[in-house]
Amino acid sequence: DQQVKQNSPSLSVQEGRISILNCDYTNSMFDYFLWYKKYPAEGPTFLISISSIKDKNEDGRFTVFLNKSAKHLSLHIVPSQPGDSAVYFCAASVGGGSNYKLTFGKGTLLTVNP
Amino acid sequence: DGGITQSPKYLFRKEGQNVTLSCEQNLNHDAMYWYRQDPGQGLRLIYYSQIVNDFQKGDIAEGYSVSREKKESFPLTVTSAQKNPTAFYLCASSPGGTPLHFGNGTRLTVT
Repeated sequence: DQQVKQNSPSLSVQEGRISILNCDYTNSMFDYFLWYKKYPAEGPTFLISISSIKDKNEDGRFTVFLNKSAKHLSLHIVPSQPGDSAVYFCAASVGGGSNYKLTFGKGTLLTVNP
Repeated sequence: DGGITQSPKYLFRKEGQNVTLSCEQNLNHDAMYWYRQDPGQGLRLIYYSQIVNDFQKGDIAEGYSVSREKKESFPLTVTSAQKNPTAFYLCASSPGGTPLHFGNGTRLTVT
């Protein structure tokens, strides 16, 4: 049973436009969410996180929105750049940021076209 | 530079052989983890260790073993009991909880 779902395997956007990556979860106990970015043949790199006590967190071009009632979060990248082309993983945990176990989605491949 | 080193980058083994994947970190992190990634799949937790000489099974521990004799090192052995060992293996560490810092992975191919 997949508890973290990224239903879009891929997304293509033009440079300078907004990229919106979506993530849904089924476990209502999840209270801490993270986004990771992964280039081919490399390990994932942490991007941004959000606690369930917030509905938005922003870091430069990256903003994560959390809708707890819908069990949905999204990552917005504005403006998108070709270097943002990568696989983006959504992850969730129970117990805030102190929990050691993360549950990952399958990832969304973002392609930003020049 | 602080980081996580996984070696080798590519590893080939014959079916029925055990193989050990290396993971070393110089970040002084207490916790270390092993994840597995298959094509089109998310990362799945194999084992994790919160402290030296202690480790716990993750979601897919069957056919794998680990040790944590030193804070810096968390080797993973893929045994012949693992039914589908061919995968991309990622080691990670954290000071405690999230976020995790990942190595660049080892791609294991078993034929």
